Amino acid sequence: QKEVEQDPGPLSVPEGAIVSLNCTYSNSAFQYFMWYRQYSRKGPELLMYTYSSGNKEDGRFTAQVDKSSKYISLFIRDSQPSDSATYLCAMSDSGGSNYKLTFGKGTLLTVNP
Amino acid sequence: ETGVTQSPTHLIKTRGQQVTLRCSSQSGHNTVSWYQQALGQGPQFIFQYYREEENGRGNFPPRFSGLQFPNYSSELNVNALELDDSALYLCASSLQGTINTEAFFGQGTRLTVV
Repeated sequence: QKEVEQDPGPLSVPEGAIVSLNCTYSNSAFQYFMWYRQYSRKGPELLMYTYSSGNKEDGRFTAQVDKSSKYISLFIRDSQPSDSATYLCAMSDSGGSNYKLTFGKGTLLTVNP
Repeated sequence: ETGVTQSPTHLIKTRGQQVTLRCSSQSGHNTVSWYQQALGQGPQFIFQYYREEENGRGNFPPRFSGLQFPNYSSELNVNALELDDSALYLCASSLQGTINTEAFFGQGTRLTVV
């Protein structure tokens, strides 16, 4: 079993839809949870950063962490064609970046105009 | 833009050759981590450098080595290149020693081994 599981998709939605992206993990030591957006042939861009359980909102993006279920989610409201990218979840057991990030495989999202 | 810069952006090498990739960290950051991202996969942790020393290593062979310089920039060296080393190599900079810190990535170096 991989430490972090993420459905690779692809996921295709119409513009304006609510998108839900998810990851599950097996390592209960993970405390820091991140979502990155990666456009084709570019480096990952940090979208959301959450420590421990709970919700965090930033504009159209909401990140949720449920440590009891080892499950994290990213919601995108009013999705736009510019949101089309690969979304990577990442986790760490130490300081968010003091040691290493363990990534999911990424979910390819296409938002159609 | 994150302020993390990598060079070169693209590189083609022959199997058996050696390659050096470079990374300049974001201003104020003291830690650099390197990741390998194969096509269709998430990034895999190679190693991290802090205070010019290796500070953790993933499941990569010794032919992957690195350096960090006093200005916190870093190099990744790969010897005896293999076809499977073809990937996007990413560096991430961060500030160790603080809580609630994040890692910011450069645009990557795409290495093709033929």
